[in-house]
Amino acid sequence: DTGVSQDPRHKITKRGQNVTFRCDPISEHNRLYWYRQTLGQGPEFLTYFQNEAQLEKSRLLSDRFSAERPKGSFSTLEIQRTEQGDSAMYLCASSLHGVVGTEAFFGQGTRLTVV
Amino acid sequence: LAKTTQPISMDSYEGQEVNITCSHNNIATNDYITWYQQFPSQGPRFIIQGYKTKVTNEVASLFIPADRKSSTLSLPRVSLSDTAVYYCLVDNFGNEKLTFGTGTRLTIIP
Repeated sequence: DTGVSQDPRHKITKRGQNVTFRCDPISEHNRLYWYRQTLGQGPEFLTYFQNEAQLEKSRLLSDRFSAERPKGSFSTLEIQRTEQGDSAMYLCASSLHGVVGTEAFFGQGTRLTVV
Repeated sequence: LAKTTQPISMDSYEGQEVNITCSHNNIATNDYITWYQQFPSQGPRFIIQGYKTKVTNEVASLFIPADRKSSTLSLPRVSLSDTAVYYCLVDNFGNEKLTFGTGTRLTIIP
């Protein structure tokens, strides 16, 4: 297992288009997180899954955003009707919940540019 | 109320020991302190985690005083490759999300 994988690494889209990102977590990890990061800021929490259940969504996650994790494996994050303000790095992370001292492993992110 | 406060930026010369201090005055009894490192265009990477006293691994040391209201990440003999943003996080074990601040931008000078 080579870690958390995200696809694509870069995405340029026109305003109003829909985009979908994919995250493949470390295989035995039951937790999967999505974050958004803009220039000069730390990652901001968007949502997380415990297995296939989406347990929390940030207020940052507007109705245009939807995330899924079918079968508790990979996850997708879709943004509908993209806006320029959606331009950011979208990070996925996974962890093994329930283990003291466990760490979250992050992917390299998907950089979205909305033009 | 911010959970953590850290310097926005720091500079250091190669070969020096670097200490980055984080304040977390409102830390709760069941909170852990975790540090992450982030290079440009990459996701954050776990460095070290602790609850109290001192923790050391192959990368860094983490010093936590008895009152746990602050912590210090110590990087021994830094090199240019340690130039990165360092985030201090305070989170309840079992907390559902990691809360990042703006971090400390560390620049190592040749």
